[in-house]
Amino acid sequence: KAGVTQTPRYLIKTRGQQVTLSCSPISGHRSVSWYQQTPGQGLQFLFEYFSETQRNKGNFPGRFSGRQFSNSRSEMNVSTLELGDSALYLCASSLDQQTNEKLFFGSGTQLSVL
Amino acid sequence: GNSVTQMEGPVTLSEEAFLTINCTYTATGYPSLFWYVQYPGEGLQLLLKATKADDKGSNKGFEATYRKETTSFHLEKGSVQVSDSAVYFCALNPSTGGFKTIFGAGTRLFVKA
Repeated sequence: KAGVTQTPRYLIKTRGQQVTLSCSPISGHRSVSWYQQTPGQGLQFLFEYFSETQRNKGNFPGRFSGRQFSNSRSEMNVSTLELGDSALYLCASSLDQQTNEKLFFGSGTQLSVL
Repeated sequence: GNSVTQMEGPVTLSEEAFLTINCTYTATGYPSLFWYVQYPGEGLQLLLKATKADDKGSNKGFEATYRKETTSFHLEKGSVQVSDSAVYFCALNPSTGGFKTIFGAGTRLFVKA
């Protein structure tokens, strides 16, 4: 079956702009998590959605937001971009994070903010 | 709170050398523990997992044992190959609520032929 699909693969934006990233989970997976990966900080948890509800949120400013649709696809939005937002954004899906299911990751969206 | 600490890299080894990457964790209750691997240009993929104390996870020659007394989950492989060059992440999923997997900073491994 198809894996986790993230689009676009690469993005270049300028400071102050906003961006929307998309993630399509594996069919049947209802949990979608988002992570920010940077060389210095490793993987930082952004948020997790299950059945269209945000169940947990990491320590990121309100400029970072997300949502999940009824088909489990998820989007992440970053408004008023800053240089420090340059990172690889990873989406991961699972059957349900509450039951300690393993995560399946997409290849990520590489965001560069100029 | 919950956290994962793993040894800093990069780790550089010759082919067929023995590998150990240390990982310790802080968590309440009984978390599940994981090792994920990230090859260049790709997302992470699960390497192995253990869900309770004294469990040993293994896959592709890699092993890790869940040690509750030392809160550790060290990754080992007896003989590394060039193709094992990647970044390795130790991670935990708390047993009580949270709905999130917490990752260590990652350890980059270079294996020379």
